[in-house]
Amino acid sequence: DAKTTQPNSMESNEEEPVHLPCNHSTISGTDYIHWYRQLPSQGPEYVIHGLTSNVNNRMASLAIAEDRKSSTLILHRATLRDAAVYYCILRDGLAGSARQLTFGSGTQLTVLP
Amino acid sequence: EPEVTQTPSHQVTQMGQEVILRCVPISNHLYFYWYRQILGQKVEFLVSFYNNEISEKSEIFDDQFSVERPDGSNFTLKIRSTKLEDSAMYFCASSTGTLLPDEQYFGPGTRLTVT
Repeated sequence: DAKTTQPNSMESNEEEPVHLPCNHSTISGTDYIHWYRQLPSQGPEYVIHGLTSNVNNRMASLAIAEDRKSSTLILHRATLRDAAVYYCILRDGLAGSARQLTFGSGTQLTVLP
Repeated sequence: EPEVTQTPSHQVTQMGQEVILRCVPISNHLYFYWYRQILGQKVEFLVSFYNNEISEKSEIFDDQFSVERPDGSNFTLKIRSTKLEDSAMYFCASSTGTLLPDEQYFGPGTRLTVT
C-alpha cells in the first residue's frame, strides 16, 4: 500500500471543528483512502473512507483533493471523546485477498475543554 | 450493535510457555485478522484468515504462531513458545469480506505480558 504522511499531533478546543490532514502523493488510481482512529486503551475503529469524491457520515467528513494527493478528515464539532490517534490508510481496491491494514504512526488529537 | 469480543483481557505467561488468545468475530463476517501493538509502537498486521485458511501473513507471523477457527464462532491465535518480545496488545478484527472498503471491526484487545 502507498505511504501516507500525517502530523504527529494536533490540538483542538472542544466543540470546534478539527481538520486532520494526510498527504499521499504516491496514491494510485485504485487506492481507497481510509481513516481509522484508536481511542486510549481500545482497538482501532473505522471512521470513514473515500475514493475520489468528498464523503460524509455520522462521525466525520472526508475531503479529498482533486489530484487525490492529499485528504482531510473533518470532525465538525470535536468532543473530549474524540481524543484519539487518527490513522490515514490507503488500500488498493484491486488487492483482492490482501485486505490487511497498514498502520502508520497517525496523528494524536488532543481535545481541550 | 454487534461487536468483536476477545478473551482474556490480560494474560501473563512465562517465557517459553504456550498461550492461546481467543476471539469471537461478528457472526456474519467472513474475514478474520490478528494485529498486535507493542507498547508505544504502531499497530502491526499479523495474519488474515478466510475460508478456513490463512489468506495473508506478515513476516512477524513465523512458525511460532498459528491460527485456528475451531468451531463456528471462535477464532484463536496460538503462540507456541512465548518470548519476551511477544509482550504486546493483540487485537482481533473481522470484516464481511465484500468488495473493498470492507470495513474492519476490532475487538478490545488482549494484553499479553511475557515474563
